[in-house]
Amino acid sequence: AQSVTQLGSHVSVSEGALVLLRCNYSSSVPPYLFWYVQYPNQGLQLLLKYTTGATLVKGINGFEAEFKKSETSFHLTKPSAHMSDAAEYFCAVDGGATNKLIFGTGTLLAVQP
Amino acid sequence: KAGVTQTPRYLIKTRGQQVTLSCSPISGHRSVSWYQQTPGQGLQFLFEYFSETQRNKGNFPGRFSGRQFSNSRSEMNVSTLELGDSALYLCASSLAPRRQETQYFGPGTRLLVL
Repeated sequence: AQSVTQLGSHVSVSEGALVLLRCNYSSSVPPYLFWYVQYPNQGLQLLLKYTTGATLVKGINGFEAEFKKSETSFHLTKPSAHMSDAAEYFCAVDGGATNKLIFGTGTLLAVQP
Repeated sequence: KAGVTQTPRYLIKTRGQQVTLSCSPISGHRSVSWYQQTPGQGLQFLFEYFSETQRNKGNFPGRFSGRQFSNSRSEMNVSTLELGDSALYLCASSLAPRRQETQYFGPGTRLLVL
């Protein structure tokens, strides 16, 4: 069965510090993995996705994620946090037999000046 | 290209009423999915349409229904509203219903049931 676990519902970092948001997945088939960001009162915006091929995926706004099959992880990182990165981040896995998205519970990122 | 649009953006209804939400996908996208977002349950899949056919349905009661038109626009309907239906309803479109396809989300319709 497909599922996603995001460790840490709230993460706080200082501006300029490393951002690390954790995501572990469970999938009965080779997964397709996604990270979305949601700003207040807005929909979801795709940051990056892993389908096949290179396991290090680069996305928008300086974010990247590495697919590690052995650890069933897809953690999101950014070397240097910016105030504008404050938002809620969702990791998602595809539905296995379907293309519906199964989301984690989200991580709210706060960036302190 | 214009993004996914949803109307209305905000809606207030009372228990027992019904509501219809509309979604216009990105031009050329033929697959439309709906999700419900609540603080308690998070983001949950409602249903997906492709070529005017419902392909998948999430674990929601029959009060939740939808349809897709020949121009790929989609509507979802909730009948006999309950307080627990208060949520942000998100529509997402993609080129086709393939697992690796990116789903592009609209801004959502925020429904408040009183």
